[in-house]
Amino acid sequence: AQSVAQPEDQVNVAEGNPLTVKCTYSVSGNPYLFWYVQYPNRGLQFLLKYITGDNLVKGSYGFEAEFNKSQTSFHLKKPSALVSDSALYFCAVRVAGYSTLTFGKGTMLLVSP
Amino acid sequence: GAVVSQHPSRVICKSGTSVKIECRSLDFQATTMFWYRQFPKQSLMLMATSNEGSKATYEQGVEKDKFLINHASLTLSTLTVTSAHPEDSSFYICSATIATSGGDYEQYFGPGTRLTVT
Repeated sequence: AQSVAQPEDQVNVAEGNPLTVKCTYSVSGNPYLFWYVQYPNRGLQFLLKYITGDNLVKGSYGFEAEFNKSQTSFHLKKPSALVSDSALYFCAVRVAGYSTLTFGKGTMLLVSP
Repeated sequence: GAVVSQHPSRVICKSGTSVKIECRSLDFQATTMFWYRQFPKQSLMLMATSNEGSKATYEQGVEKDKFLINHASLTLSTLTVTSAHPEDSSFYICSATIATSGGDYEQYFGPGTRLTVT
């Protein structure tokens, strides 16, 4: 079975400061890892994914994430937060092929002006 | 990029009635479509996996007679909530997948449908 843990329900950061949203995973086999963002009453928007290769993945809107196999983590980061980054962030995992995505419970990011 | 639409975006219905939600892949043919349910401030819960022309595969605990899924074509899947009750009120999100080279797939999400049962 595969699982994702997002240990923080909410992350608060001031605009202009760096942000980190944490994610750890458990999966049998090589993980495919994803980050999605959701704004109120909207669907999921894809931010970035790790499949293979470079452990540092760069995605949309200045976000990046680092795959750490030994720590089974895939934390989402951004060097300088914007108020407009305030949203719900989901980490997800699956393995190659036609397996289903398993989502973490989500982390609400609040960026204050 | 690939676009997935859902209709309606919002629906309010009375208890006991049925509601149909459509999920369409607009510019690609989807290998598989998934239906998720999301409660307020919670994660997405996979309800079922739907392949064109075959019966949907439901996750444990999801009532297949209550949540009817029809996948009539490679671009359309529908979720019908039958005899809706207030506890069925939720945000329903679909996704559509397209096969990529190498045997893997890409998954694209719809914008969601807010169902409120009064």
